[in-house]
Amino acid sequence: GQQLNQSPQSMFIQEGEDVSMNCTSSSIFNTWLWYKQDPGEGPVLLIALYKAGELTSNGRLTAQFGITRKDSFLNISASIPSDVGIYFCAGQLASGTYKYIFGTGTRLKVLA
Amino acid sequence: DAMVIQNPRYQVTQFGKPVTLSCSQTLNHNVMYWYQQKSSQAPKLLFHYYDKDFNNEADTPDNFQSRRPNTSFCFLDIRSPGLGDAAMYLCATKAGVSSYNEQFFGPGTRLTVL
Repeated sequence: GQQLNQSPQSMFIQEGEDVSMNCTSSSIFNTWLWYKQDPGEGPVLLIALYKAGELTSNGRLTAQFGITRKDSFLNISASIPSDVGIYFCAGQLASGTYKYIFGTGTRLKVLA
Repeated sequence: DAMVIQNPRYQVTQFGKPVTLSCSQTLNHNVMYWYQQKSSQAPKLLFHYYDKDFNNEADTPDNFQSRRPNTSFCFLDIRSPGLGDAAMYLCATKAGVSSYNEQFFGPGTRLTVL
């Protein structure tokens, strides 16, 4: 199936550092969702974005809907050990289906 | 709290023995999805319902079937599980067609095939 390009694939960072990850595509999206998934659990919705250029925060997390509607970015500031997990972006195509295209995931590991 | 519930959280079955996974939701959402997820890969959509309208992905094996008897419940039936069907199965819901409706996941069922 179709997937979004998500980078980086994985990253090790020190506690307290800021983290950035992004998803890019050749397709135009109506909605971007960012999820975090812990081992053995389902993805948990972090941030939802609905408009090109939109910048939304949720605590230490900030996400942006790219102006071209083909990309999105997630930033985590001052990372802590519990930020460990896999982060997925998911985009809903502008064609208006109920389906989401998922990114390949970014595995984050935080070193205390 | 309103939520998406999956039972059981862990399911063990034998090769070829039919198994059913269940999902329920208290969100009263119109759309329900079943995903398969392997080894920290992205979730792979198997099928989804809008109310009772069923939508099968083209690459979903015939071995996988689904039922949605009412708004709250949705079932995934694997008729003859193979070793390759061992995975995390995720149920998700969405209120409706609007782009402003978000998709929420359940905690998943980890399926082991012996």
